[in-house]
Amino acid sequence: AQSVTQLDSQVPVFEEAPVELRCNYSSSVSVYLFWYVQYPNQGLQLLLKYLSGSTLVKGINGFEAEFNKSQTSFHLRKPSVHISDTAEYFCAVSPPRGSASKIIFGSGTRLSIRP
Amino acid sequence: ETGVTQSPTHLIKTRGQQVTLRCSSQSGHNTVSWYQQALGQGPQFIFQYYREEENGRGNFPPRFSGLQFPNYSSELNVNALELDDSALYLCASSLIGSGKAYEQYFGPGTRLTVT
Repeated sequence: AQSVTQLDSQVPVFEEAPVELRCNYSSSVSVYLFWYVQYPNQGLQLLLKYLSGSTLVKGINGFEAEFNKSQTSFHLRKPSVHISDTAEYFCAVSPPRGSASKIIFGSGTRLSIRP
Repeated sequence: ETGVTQSPTHLIKTRGQQVTLRCSSQSGHNTVSWYQQALGQGPQFIFQYYREEENGRGNFPPRFSGLQFPNYSSELNVNALELDDSALYLCASSLIGSGKAYEQYFGPGTRLTVT
């Protein structure tokens, strides 16, 4: 079975400051890793994904994440945040094989940007 | 390309009643997954439908049931509603057989309130 832990429920940062949202996962098999963003009163939008290959993946809106197998982590980073990045961010995993593409989500990190 | 749509956007029901939520998948997709997102939590996988049959189920009781229609749209039915069923219900569509079944596209959700 897989599980996802997002270590921070809330992260406040000032506009134009860098940010890192932490994510650790647990799995006995190899997994795909994702970060989703949820803006207020909206559904989920895929920010980026790691399937295989290069451990540094780049996504939309200037976000990037690094897969670290030894630490079972997939932390999300942005060098300079904007007010529009205010949202809930979810780290997620799914097994690479299996017809039921069940995605397991973490509990989310609320990113609030201060002007 | 038409995105994932869900109806209704909001719904208020009384404990013990039954509810039906609807989802239209993205054009070209053949699979629909349903998730429950309680307030302040990450989405939890309910079940997935592929070729009009249940194709995987999470840890939800049998009073949560679903259907998928030949046009790949789907319904989520919940019987004997309980207060804890109050949540945002998210539908996601994907394409099994494309090699990218892990890529799920989410709708905006239906907010269900049980009183």
